[in-house]
Amino acid sequence: NAGVTQTPKFRVLKTGQSMTLLCAQDMNHEYMYWYRQDPGMGLRLIHYSVGEGTTAKGEVPDGYNVSRLKKQNFLLGLESAAPSQTSVYFCASSYLLGAQDTQYFGPGTRLTVL
Amino acid sequence: SQQGEEDPQALSIQEGENATMNCSYKTSINNLQWYRQNSGRGLVHLILIRSNEREKHSGRLRVTLDTSKKSSSLLITASRAADTASYFCATDGGSNYKLTFGKGTLLTVNP
Repeated sequence: NAGVTQTPKFRVLKTGQSMTLLCAQDMNHEYMYWYRQDPGMGLRLIHYSVGEGTTAKGEVPDGYNVSRLKKQNFLLGLESAAPSQTSVYFCASSYLLGAQDTQYFGPGTRLTVL
Repeated sequence: SQQGEEDPQALSIQEGENATMNCSYKTSINNLQWYRQNSGRGLVHLILIRSNEREKHSGRLRVTLDTSKKSSSLLITASRAADTASYFCATDGGSNYKLTFGKGTLLTVNP
């Protein structure tokens, strides 16, 4: 039982490049989330999903797209990376939506955009 | 916008001492959660306390909630060096989908 896994762990991009972050969970959770964590800012919700094939915007969605083609996977895409997207990205999943339940976090992806 | 704000921002204590961290929030909540984050790792859930609960325990952790003051506290008793981490409170702010995190308290437990 791996819980929530994220790939890659680290990535360096140049401005304008694109990439996809992959999140996978093996707990059969309906709900999945993408957060970013910046120094002194806490975690901020980017996008979330309430089930396979459905996604919704969170607090800071601009510059990101997401897809949930399979229940266990939640992908976060950056189409044209900007230095402001340098951050640590965390994926999470839960059995119940949002704040009603424990969220299980992945180990994070550290992204640097030059 | 931040819903929960932890206080203090940083706390340094000796092993064996108790550590208390506080969280204040602005709008009514249905529940409040506390998470721990070790350096370079993901967040780990500690406790969820609902708005109709006043106190909850889990091992060496004790969480209190005062909805009239819009505040919560996390007490770690008999701290250990392994408790060194950042601790975050997270609230729903009345929303059923969004968990809003504070900026965290960095706890350092010195051996």
